[in-house]
Amino acid sequence: QKEVEQNSGPLSVPEGAIASLNCTYSDRGSQSFFWYRQYSGKSPELIMSIYSNGDKEDGRFTAQLNKASQYVSLLIRDSQPSDSATYLCAVMPGGYQKVTFGIGTKLQVIP
Amino acid sequence: GAVVSQHPSRVICKSGTSVKIECRSLDFQATTMFWYRQFPKKSLMLMATSNEGSKATYEQGVEKDKFLINHASLTLSTLTVTSAHPEDSSFYICSARSAGEGTEAFFGQGTRLTVV
Repeated sequence: QKEVEQNSGPLSVPEGAIASLNCTYSDRGSQSFFWYRQYSGKSPELIMSIYSNGDKEDGRFTAQLNKASQYVSLLIRDSQPSDSATYLCAVMPGGYQKVTFGIGTKLQVIP
Repeated sequence: GAVVSQHPSRVICKSGTSVKIECRSLDFQATTMFWYRQFPKKSLMLMATSNEGSKATYEQGVEKDKFLINHASLTLSTLTVTSAHPEDSSFYICSARSAGEGTEAFFGQGTRLTVV
């Protein structure tokens, strides 16, 4: 079982719709969770971090964490073509420094 | 977010030569820096973790004598690819985080290395 699992996609949504990206992780002791966006040929850019159960909103982005079910998700409201990118889920276990990344989900927002 | 500067962004070198890549945290002290490698359409592969003033911890399968990492200060880490070969061509990315559990890591712009 991979430590951090994501569907590689592509996930296609029409412009203006809500894009829902999901991620599951295997280490139940994980404490910190991050979503990064990576455009083709570029390095990842931090979008959201979340540390406790529930929702965290920042603009059009909402991160959701459920530690009991070991999943974290990212919702993008009012999706724009500029949101088209690969979204990486990253998990850091408590007490450790190393961040483990999922393979990333490619999102395509269709105009 | 915090700024991490990586240089150069692109480099082409001949087989057998060495290439040094720099990673600087511009507005915070990076107690830990990570070096990743990414192949096209693949996820990030952690190569090594470095803490300021100590030896880097390499991931399994990464040759420490080939990929030399130095983290001499709280704002600078370097990766040197020694005796580069075409199979070392890749996208190398550094990230840095400050002290404290759970703090986010910020990425440099990445370096596209092509060995000819």
